Amino acid sequence: DAKTTQPPSMDCAEGRAANLPCNHSTISGNEYVYWYRQIHSQGPQYIIHGLKNNETNEMASLIITEDRKSSTLILPHATLRDTAVYYCIVRPHVSGGSNYKLTFGKGTLLTVNP
Amino acid sequence: DAGVTQSPTHLIKTRGQQVTLRCSPISGHKSVSWYQQVLGQGPQFIFQYYEKEERGRGNFPDRFSARQFPNYSSELNVNALLLGDSALYLCASSPLQGLGNEQFFGPGTRLTVL
Repeated sequence: DAKTTQPPSMDCAEGRAANLPCNHSTISGNEYVYWYRQIHSQGPQYIIHGLKNNETNEMASLIITEDRKSSTLILPHATLRDTAVYYCIVRPHVSGGSNYKLTFGKGTLLTVNP
Repeated sequence: DAGVTQSPTHLIKTRGQQVTLRCSPISGHKSVSWYQQVLGQGPQFIFQYYEKEERGRGNFPDRFSARQFPNYSSELNVNALLLGDSALYLCASSPLQGLGNEQFFGPGTRLTVL
């Protein structure tokens, strides 16, 4: 079962920052927060992940609260192409071929409006 | 660079038939996972293979099976198809080495069971 809670939908104006929240109050110490997005009829796309520090890459920023019970994905300048379902996932950072599944919830449908 | 490829893109079958879906991972990736996504839901984990061995299995009946070949490509087989098997089947690959925990998804195979 998914261990995260996200709002089902959000709207954002084009060019503005989109802030997508995620609650993960039962997160364990060894679990990372991952974000993926899925544009309609395509496969999910990895965005970013983090453990406890804020992270930034060319796509987005990830802000994790100090108690790690929630996080926010920030798209600094949303475009129409950012319209997608955004999934917040918590999972251990495995290696060596261990069971590696991602547990998806229903995510947040972000609609960027012109 | 080529991403994860899947074939076929679309498939129509009737109840009781069998289907085989194919996936080629990104070059150098040794782990392949399969997910099922029914309309309106997030992807659900079916299998993970690493180095040709099954490393994880989701809550799916034995009608679902998979295998990984020496070149790391993979097949998902579904026997005795049911109407409820209609879904988008996604394949994801990962290097699973070092910090390479991101999964890269293919475009999926849309299976319709009539």
